[in-house]
Amino acid sequence: DTGVSQDPRHKITKRGQNVTFRCDPISEHNRLYWYRQTLGQGPEFLTYFQNEAQLEKSRLLSDRFSAERPKGSFSTLEIQRTEQGDSAMYLCASSWDSGQETQYFGPGTRLLVL
Amino acid sequence: QKEVEQDPGPLSVPEGAIVSLNCTYSNSAFQYFMWYRQYSRKGPELLMYTYSSGNKEDGRFTAQVDKSSKYISLFIRDSQPSDSATYLCAAERNAGNMLTFGGGTRLMVKP
Repeated sequence: DTGVSQDPRHKITKRGQNVTFRCDPISEHNRLYWYRQTLGQGPEFLTYFQNEAQLEKSRLLSDRFSAERPKGSFSTLEIQRTEQGDSAMYLCASSWDSGQETQYFGPGTRLLVL
Repeated sequence: QKEVEQDPGPLSVPEGAIVSLNCTYSNSAFQYFMWYRQYSRKGPELLMYTYSSGNKEDGRFTAQVDKSSKYISLFIRDSQPSDSATYLCAAERNAGNMLTFGGGTRLMVKP
């Protein structure tokens, strides 16, 4: 296991459709984070999990967004009824709860809503 | 006002130059500071991680944090064309919590 993986890498969808993204963290990491990045901006925090518990959610995470990490391993991020404003790069990161918890990022899923 | 601010650039330098990248932040609760490098259409890659004020050096990279002025710096010595990327500074209140990023500075190192 060489790093965080995300699937798919690219997704094009029509407005109103639902999409789901998957993140597989580094295997020994118990914390998993989702961020969103729009063009020319830094990543913005969406939510994070410690094991299977969702500990914090940003106000950016509207009720159309839901994230799960059912067994404390991989995570999914679902966006329902997509809007053009949802077009962005969705980044996943993971870390180990050790006191100095560096977050390692995956390659991201680039979403385009037409 | 964003909690972490960066000049977006672009910053263009000749190969071999010393590069200085800077961020300011407004939240006094931030204790941990990071620099990430992001190539186009890729995920951010961690370069430096520091706790509180002080300097940290790793190869050609030096990170500085001055909590009294809420100022974060990254220095790159002997810059290479492969250093051309967007550099993101980030801060967090407690280890393992959410990262707050600056908007990124685009660096171009010309051969």
